[in-house]
Amino acid sequence: AQSVTQPDIHITVSEGASLELRCNYSYGATPYLFWYVQSPGQGLQLLLKYFSGDTLVQGIKGFEAEFKRSQSSFNLRKPSVHWSDAAEYFCAVGVRDNTGKLIFGQGTTLQVKP
Amino acid sequence: DAGVIQSPRHEVTEMGQEVTLRCKPISGHDYLFWYRQTMMRGLELLIYFNNNVPIDDSGMPEDRFSAKMPNASFSTLKIQPSEPRDSAVYFCASNPTGEGYGYTFGSGTRLTVV
Repeated sequence: AQSVTQPDIHITVSEGASLELRCNYSYGATPYLFWYVQSPGQGLQLLLKYFSGDTLVQGIKGFEAEFKRSQSSFNLRKPSVHWSDAAEYFCAVGVRDNTGKLIFGQGTTLQVKP
Repeated sequence: DAGVIQSPRHEVTEMGQEVTLRCKPISGHDYLFWYRQTMMRGLELLIYFNNNVPIDDSGMPEDRFSAKMPNASFSTLKIQPSEPRDSAVYFCASNPTGEGYGYTFGSGTRLTVV
């Protein structure tokens, strides 16, 4: 069965520091992969997605993610975090059954220290 | 486009009452998904529709929950009777036809059952 694991429930980084949020997936084929961000009281916003091709994908707000097939990972990175990046981040796997259905990880809450 | 529109944003109701949540997907999106988000269980897929037809309702927790999509621009999620354990944020999301696009989420309805 497909699944997504985000090992870190909560991460705190200082403003200006680099960030890496981890995501591991279980899927029988090459998946579609997504990262979403949820600010408090808001819906989820798509940050970036991987379908195929270049394994390093760029997203909005200065985020990027790298697909590593050998590690079944799709980690999210940002070189310099801003206070406004404090939010909850969700990794998701897209099921390849033509429905567009997504399976989400449990989320990682990012806190940014001034 | 106004995006996926959900109403109400907040709902407080007494146990035993009927609750109806509403969603208007993005025009032209063939797929509509209902998710529930809680601290304990994260994001759970409840049901999804394709071209107004329910495809998979295996995530609906029990018979108290029902969902309809009478036309391409409107869906409802109903809980009758409501219970305190139904308190959660309910999200609607829509997707263009097929896979790999990633959802567009609504802002959610925060339901509190007292």
